[in-house]
Amino acid sequence: GNSVTQMEGPVTLSEEAFLTINCTYTATGYPSLFWYVQYPGEGLQLLLKATKADDKGSNKGFEATYRKETTSFHLEKGSVQVSDSAVYFCALPLGDSSYKLIFGSGTRLLVRP
Amino acid sequence: DAGVIQSPRHEVTEMGQEVTLRCKPISGHNSLFWYRQTMMRGLELLIYFNNNVPIDDSGMPEDRFSAKMPNASFSTLKIQPSEPRDSAVYFCASSYAHWNTEAFFGQGTRLTVV
Repeated sequence: GNSVTQMEGPVTLSEEAFLTINCTYTATGYPSLFWYVQYPGEGLQLLLKATKADDKGSNKGFEATYRKETTSFHLEKGSVQVSDSAVYFCALPLGDSSYKLIFGSGTRLLVRP
Repeated sequence: DAGVIQSPRHEVTEMGQEVTLRCKPISGHNSLFWYRQTMMRGLELLIYFNNNVPIDDSGMPEDRFSAKMPNASFSTLKIQPSEPRDSAVYFCASSYAHWNTEAFFGQGTRLTVV
């Protein structure tokens, strides 16, 4: 089945710094790719998604581009805020037409004022 | 829609007791997932249902764990007997079963077994 690897954290940044969280995947076919965010004490929320190669998902200032050539879906934000402190998960379906999502190990982001 | 609703939010129980976690998925969704999250293992898929039928329970750790979905609007995850190593946050998620749709998560139940 498909798999996903994301960079280990924690990532600690100052407010207004540039953020990149790396995510690479292995997959048969071209599954949709997702980024989820988990704020302290809460469940996971979908942050953004991309459904085909070269698609760019974006939300709340975050962006990620579906790169087929490098099998990557890196999460970026130009200027982070303290409120972005959370754990970020990269995810994709287990296989073609699979309803099961598999998640990366999560990357904790801490933004300092 | 109120989203995926889980109850209770927190549960503290003694080792050996039975614990039942509850989930109400989003109306119209026909896939339901139970996940467990711990610091050591991260997010693990325990079981998933499609149209109320268990499709894959390979993630259920052992026979002490069981899950049911008697109808489209309700599911339970039961642990009997509970053990301290079951302490974790348990999430329920639902989706419309389509290959490129996302899952919507509840806020989780934090279980502590003492």
